[in-house]
Amino acid sequence: QQQVKQSPQSLIVQKGGISIINCAYENTAFDYFPWYQQFPGKGPALLIAIRPDVSEKKEGRFTISFNKSAKQFSLHIMDSQPGDSATYFCAAIPQNTGTASKLTFGTGTRLQVTL
Amino acid sequence: SQTIHQWPATLVQPVGSPLSLECTVEGTSNPNLYWYRQAAGRGLQLLFYSVGIGQISSEVPQNLSASRPQDRQFILSSKKLLLSDSGFYLCAWSVLVSYGGQANTGELFFGEGSRLTVL
Repeated sequence: QQQVKQSPQSLIVQKGGISIINCAYENTAFDYFPWYQQFPGKGPALLIAIRPDVSEKKEGRFTISFNKSAKQFSLHIMDSQPGDSATYFCAAIPQNTGTASKLTFGTGTRLQVTL
Repeated sequence: SQTIHQWPATLVQPVGSPLSLECTVEGTSNPNLYWYRQAAGRGLQLLFYSVGIGQISSEVPQNLSASRPQDRQFILSSKKLLLSDSGFYLCAWSVLVSYGGQANTGELFFGEGSRLTVL
């Protein structure tokens, strides 16, 4: 019940296209849904996050769509650029976890944006 | 500003040898500290977390241990490495963020990682 299922495992998109990564969860107590971006040999960094009280959040070319009833959320990268090539992780964490941020991560999607 | 330092960046160790990875955070006090492992092509697995000096919580049974001797220092250790300990180890920190009146979670800030190869 603590899992977050992420798909696809890898994705190749042409420059200017839309990249879409999907995640699904079971635990209805999850309360915070961040996406992390990781470049090769580096640690992940927070890209964008959403709370379940909204259905969409947009920051520049990056948008999270959230469907609470379906327990799914997705990351859309508009006008994908070669610099977006990285591994993307979705994550989730339940409310009332005390003081520790014990995120449950998806397995990651390796995105390659080609010219 | 806050920074996180993790070392060594790369490590090649023989099976059965000890391990010590160190992580320090600057620019914040009383952070929550975490050790994650990332196996090749896989996600991020939480190994340990700490909410204060000397307070360590283990998430999975394994050949590793963690210690927090100082507020902003987190150490990952092993007495005898196994082949299966190979991976990319990431230290991270967070602070508590209040949301909607509830004590909730904060963003995780990761270090640059330590790549361990056990031969």
